[in-house]
Amino acid sequence: SQQGEEDPQALSIQEGENATMNCSYKTSINNLQWYRQNSGRGLVHLILIRSNEREKHSGRLRVTLDTSKKSSSLLITASRAADTASYFCATDSGSARQLTFGSGTQLTVLP
Amino acid sequence: DGGITQSPKYLFRKEGQNVTLSCEQNLNHDAMYWYRQDPGQGLRLIYYSQIVNDFQKGDIAEGYSVSREKKESFPLTVTSAQKNPTAFYLCASSSTGYGEQYFGPGTRLTVT
Repeated sequence: SQQGEEDPQALSIQEGENATMNCSYKTSINNLQWYRQNSGRGLVHLILIRSNEREKHSGRLRVTLDTSKKSSSLLITASRAADTASYFCATDSGSARQLTFGSGTQLTVLP
Repeated sequence: DGGITQSPKYLFRKEGQNVTLSCEQNLNHDAMYWYRQDPGQGLRLIYYSQIVNDFQKGDIAEGYSVSREKKESFPLTVTSAQKNPTAFYLCASSSTGYGEQYFGPGTRLTVT
């Protein structure tokens, strides 16, 4: 079963705009991770936020985590055409030592 | 170069045949994983292994088998019992099992 669900399923923006994707999950977590997947490729890890953290930054990426609402958001600022990809959240829920992935948001950045 | 390799990139098989997908890593990671991805979907866990000679079933293990005889290798066999094997298969590894996972480029399997 999938723990995380991303919203929206698809997002199309102009280059230079900001892109925000949301992830909701069902059970308590140790950490939440965001990954990017270019079409037909493997996933690339973007950022990990622990359950006791509320916000984390990495370059143009900003991730927030609200454990009371069981939700996270990924903000990509000043988007570029190269940011076009699918973005997945993944939750680590404890002793199983495995990640559960959401269904992803397909981001298209138009030049 | 350190990383994960999967081979082949594309694989075609006839229905009823078993097929083995290769996954090798030189990152010295203990944990390795196999995922299946269907078009427009997220990843679903097939099997994972935390140490050599040990592995556990994931959410969709039926029709698949794995082995972990060496730390760097985690091959996946798609058996004829898997009812709908056509999919994109991704292998990943992790140093601890709790942190980030490193993914291979994937193998696209088509069964006709």
